Amino acid sequence: DSGVTQTPKHLITATGQRVTLRCSPRSGDLSVYWYQQSLDQGLQFLIQYYNGEERAKGNILERFSAQQFPDLHSELNLSSLELGDSALYFCASSEGDIPSAQPQHFGDGTRLSIL
Amino acid sequence: ELKVEQNPLFLSMQEGKNYTIYCNYSTTSDRLYWYRQDPGKSLESLFVLLSNGAVKQEGRLMASLDTKARLSTLHITAAVHDLSATYFCAVDLQSGGSYIPTFGRGTSLIVHP
Repeated sequence: DSGVTQTPKHLITATGQRVTLRCSPRSGDLSVYWYQQSLDQGLQFLIQYYNGEERAKGNILERFSAQQFPDLHSELNLSSLELGDSALYFCASSEGDIPSAQPQHFGDGTRLSIL
Repeated sequence: ELKVEQNPLFLSMQEGKNYTIYCNYSTTSDRLYWYRQDPGKSLESLFVLLSNGAVKQEGRLMASLDTKARLSTLHITAAVHDLSATYFCAVDLQSGGSYIPTFGRGTSLIVHP
């Protein structure tokens, strides 16, 4: 058990809809990272938050947004969903703001299916 | 744009054998990660390599980094079935004070008895 909790585990929705994925980091971790894994694109880094502030931004679409709340949980919002957004979305957490300084602990992921 | 290439993408090997997975990248970086993913599971951090010549070992896995050649290797010694998984490398591109990782496509390893 990594200590990182992601909900929901599975999500099925239709094109054009909006969904919110939630991540609770491991106790004591201040950084949260979001990743997308799909057959087409492989693994991609989306965004990192550290202690409530955006720290690094990767290949995150404009239709996607994220935030980290004062209790350090994070939400990834995906809107105007397209078929290509079907993927496994992982959240990870670490203590500090430098990804290489401590290991990242990964949640089990949310599998998003767009019909 | 940083490109990260892993090879081979698929590897079938017998227990007890040795093999190496290669990770090449296109832009200067001195931060490289190796991850493991079991089928249907999440990612697990294996190694972080932070300088030229860095070598790390855990059990039957050993990772090394040559920043001049832009190459990392993940060497498997005397493979066992439990090592069957997909292995990913990722390379950081520094942008200002932040680090943006780019992942390879992964190497799917199957170890046969």
